[in-house]
Amino acid sequence: EAQVTQNPRYLITVTGKKLTVTCSQNMNHEYMSWYRQDPGLGLRQIYYSMNVEVTDKGDVPEGYKVSRKEKRNFPLILESPSPNQTSLYFCASSFGGGRGYNEQFFGPGTRLTVL
Amino acid sequence: ELKVEQNPLFLSMQEGKNYTIYCNYSTTSDRLYWYRQDPGKSLESLFVLLSNGAVKQEGRLMASLDTKARLSTLHITAAVHDLSATYFCARTTSGTYKYIFGTGTRLKVLA
Repeated sequence: EAQVTQNPRYLITVTGKKLTVTCSQNMNHEYMSWYRQDPGLGLRQIYYSMNVEVTDKGDVPEGYKVSRKEKRNFPLILESPSPNQTSLYFCASSFGGGRGYNEQFFGPGTRLTVL
Repeated sequence: ELKVEQNPLFLSMQEGKNYTIYCNYSTTSDRLYWYRQDPGKSLESLFVLLSNGAVKQEGRLMASLDTKARLSTLHITAAVHDLSATYFCARTTSGTYKYIFGTGTRLKVLA
């Protein structure tokens, strides 16, 4: 089944404790992206990747890191989480990037709470 | 500033009625997307609009794009309860691969 998976789905952590949220897709998509969703703000893009070893900042990259060492995986790293990073996080993937027909397929989401 | 504005933010409508959700964006865009999100769920792609005048329809939903007016609309025909969800429009910025989402329109269809 074609899908985007994220782990964990729920996470409660404390300020400053490094964490990684994994994202994996099995559709051989070049483009992958991370978003956070907060009430009243819609989705905001954190980072995106056009292909292996190619990443760039979205609108809200501060406090986050990413890497793209393999085409299928795009982990999101919070080196020192803070309470303002409490949010619902979505990973998404698509063929190509902004070019061509490129609907994004979204993962199930990760609800993160930072105390 | 790159912005995408949707209105209304909340919409409560009776079954069988028609309504339109509007999506305005601030600068030239490559393409426009519509997504649906059910409560507590992820996002699902509805439409990708590629050029001026593009119109796409799926069931009771029809999306259109007017690039000169920087406006996309999502028209709902004869609403049914199953259409209750939050609808987002999004755009990619010309020359980059960034996505900008609107804040969403929460639609509630009353039986």
